[in-house]
Amino acid sequence: DTGVSQDPRHKITKRGQNVTFRCDPISEHNRLYWYRQTLGQGPEFLTYFQNEAQLEKSRLLSDRFSAERPKGSFSTLEIQRTEQGDSAMYLCASRHRGHTGELFFGEGSRLTVL
Amino acid sequence: GQQLNQSPQSMFIQEGEDVSMNCTSSSIFNTWLWYKQDPGEGPVLLIALYKAGELTSNGRLTAQFGITRKDSFLNISASIPSDVGIYFCAGLDTDKLIFGTGTRLQVFP
Repeated sequence: DTGVSQDPRHKITKRGQNVTFRCDPISEHNRLYWYRQTLGQGPEFLTYFQNEAQLEKSRLLSDRFSAERPKGSFSTLEIQRTEQGDSAMYLCASRHRGHTGELFFGEGSRLTVL
Repeated sequence: GQQLNQSPQSMFIQEGEDVSMNCTSSSIFNTWLWYKQDPGEGPVLLIALYKAGELTSNGRLTAQFGITRKDSFLNISASIPSDVGIYFCAGLDTDKLIFGTGTRLQVFP
């Protein structure tokens, strides 16, 4: 499978715990994006990387959220001290440098905070 | 966060019917895209539009980039059961996509 891969697909955690999601983009895609989607809404932009550089962060990304892409390949999104409002689907997407706007999404990581 | 407005919010149609949905924005976009999302899955790219006035087809799907660059339309002809899902428009803002609120499509046999 050469698509965007996300892990885990589902995560249930207690409030206050830390969680980490991983995204493996399509190989040779230099741009990687994180989005959050809550029920009944469209995906909302969180942050994106060009290679290992984090170029933009949304105001939605509070201090409890951190994303990394250390070697310009896979990326991790960590949420510290989770809150019930963090419950959502976290989507990762990647794109090739030449294909403006054409993001390819993974299947998402669904987080439930109890 | 900013989102684009899609209408209708939901549609219930019979198999074989044609479907039209639209997306509007208060901002201008130079690229519009349409995605389809099935339950529990990530969005899948259907069509990308790069020029105002452009009309692009992908099988039974046809999308148009509005002349004002503030809207886009998606038509599905001769709907089939597997067309069921949520359709999202998205506009390209600098280097990220801004998504619409979605149109939920139900197709009855």
